[in-house]
Amino acid sequence: GQQVMQIPQYQHVQEGEDFTTYCNSSTTLSNIQWYKQRPGGHPVFLIQLVKSGEVKKQKRLTFQFGEAKKNSSLHITATQTTDVGTYFCAGPGTTDSWGKLQFGSGTQVVVTP
Amino acid sequence: EAQVTQNPRYLITVTGKKLTVTCSQNMNHEYMSWYRQDPGLGLRQIYYSMNVEVTDKGDVPEGYKVSRKEKRNFPLILESPSPNQTSLYFCASSLSRGFHEKLFFGSGTQLSVL
Repeated sequence: GQQVMQIPQYQHVQEGEDFTTYCNSSTTLSNIQWYKQRPGGHPVFLIQLVKSGEVKKQKRLTFQFGEAKKNSSLHITATQTTDVGTYFCAGPGTTDSWGKLQFGSGTQVVVTP
Repeated sequence: EAQVTQNPRYLITVTGKKLTVTCSQNMNHEYMSWYRQDPGLGLRQIYYSMNVEVTDKGDVPEGYKVSRKEKRNFPLILESPSPNQTSLYFCASSLSRGFHEKLFFGSGTQLSVL
């Protein structure tokens, strides 16, 4: 079945630095979503990518969907302490399991002032 | 305020004692789902419901039951909890399970089974 993998599992970043987290699927995805979970909180939707090669920006966050629609990335520039948390990507199931949504294992981000 | 409400927030129980975690949404969402979160494993889907009276298994349904008698409620039932069900549980909903729908999550239920 479909598997969604995320790397790295942990990311320690100095405040002001950039970093990227990657999401890879074993199958082609119709779309991909990204969520952020603050420590002690619940996942909150960030963005959805649908088109091959799509790039979307939210302030310092840049999201990209691969040309083959099997991978995605989240790049954060000039990291701030507010970026602390775990970032998850999520991909839908195949057409015969449309209700399934599979999450990656997440990238836990720690920011050092 | 639009939200997904889960109760209780924390629960400690013993092996074999049936329990129910409630989930309610006030957004008239069709789709609801339960996830468990364990360190290093991310969020794994337990069950989901596309609409009233329609439920289906996710990736880790063993040991859990759900029901969807009303649109707003989607309780998670553990008939005979075991220690390996100790986890952080999240309920989520979306308008539908269509192409562009984002999930709204509840605040979570931390369950410990002794």
